[in-house]
Amino acid sequence: NAGVTQTPKFQVLKTGQSMTLQCAQDMNHEYMSWYRQDPGMGLRLIHYSVGAGITDQGEVPNGYNVSRSTTEDFPLRLLSAAPSQTSVYFCASSTRANQRTYEQYFGPGTRLTVT
Amino acid sequence: AQTVTQSQPEMSVQEAETVTLSCTYDTSESDYYLFWYKQPPSRQMILVIRQEAYKQQNATENRFSVNFQKAAKSFSLKISDSQLGDAAMYFCAYRSGGSARQLTFGSGTQLTVLP
Repeated sequence: NAGVTQTPKFQVLKTGQSMTLQCAQDMNHEYMSWYRQDPGMGLRLIHYSVGAGITDQGEVPNGYNVSRSTTEDFPLRLLSAAPSQTSVYFCASSTRANQRTYEQYFGPGTRLTVT
Repeated sequence: AQTVTQSQPEMSVQEAETVTLSCTYDTSESDYYLFWYKQPPSRQMILVIRQEAYKQQNATENRFSVNFQKAAKSFSLKISDSQLGDAAMYFCAYRSGGSARQLTFGSGTQLTVLP
């Protein structure tokens, strides 16, 4: 298993550009999430999904869109990039089959810089 | 909403010594899980240890153990016989029990291990 994969690893955008961060998992996990990590603030939840076709907002959803058309993929779209979206983005997945703990498996992260 | 507080932005420990990282949380729920994640310079999030709130016994994983004080809402991580490879950012995280709820993270503690 590759686990959770994210592409790209690094990206530089200009203000106003749009892009999609890709996330895929091959563990057949029901739950997938996107977090952003900023210095001194830990990780904050952007959006999450409990299954294909179902998504919901997290703590900091503004400026981001998600969709979940398959169990494996959960892309994060930046519609019009802003410097405030400069961050490291992590995708994570988990499964209810993991007893009750829903341990989250993280991808390697994408470092995004918006100039 | 739940909050997680890590009041020590930075800690250092001598190799082979013991260090304790602090974490407090605020919740009105009775069913939840607490986690410590390690993030080395590679950025990969690695689960170190997990504690179920309904268990009174403190979790232990090799050199890592926790001191879980439910009434005080405290969840500290003890690292014994510290090794150079333990140097990393450590995050405390909270998750509600029995649901697909995602993780709420503290702001992290940067641990330096001195040779």
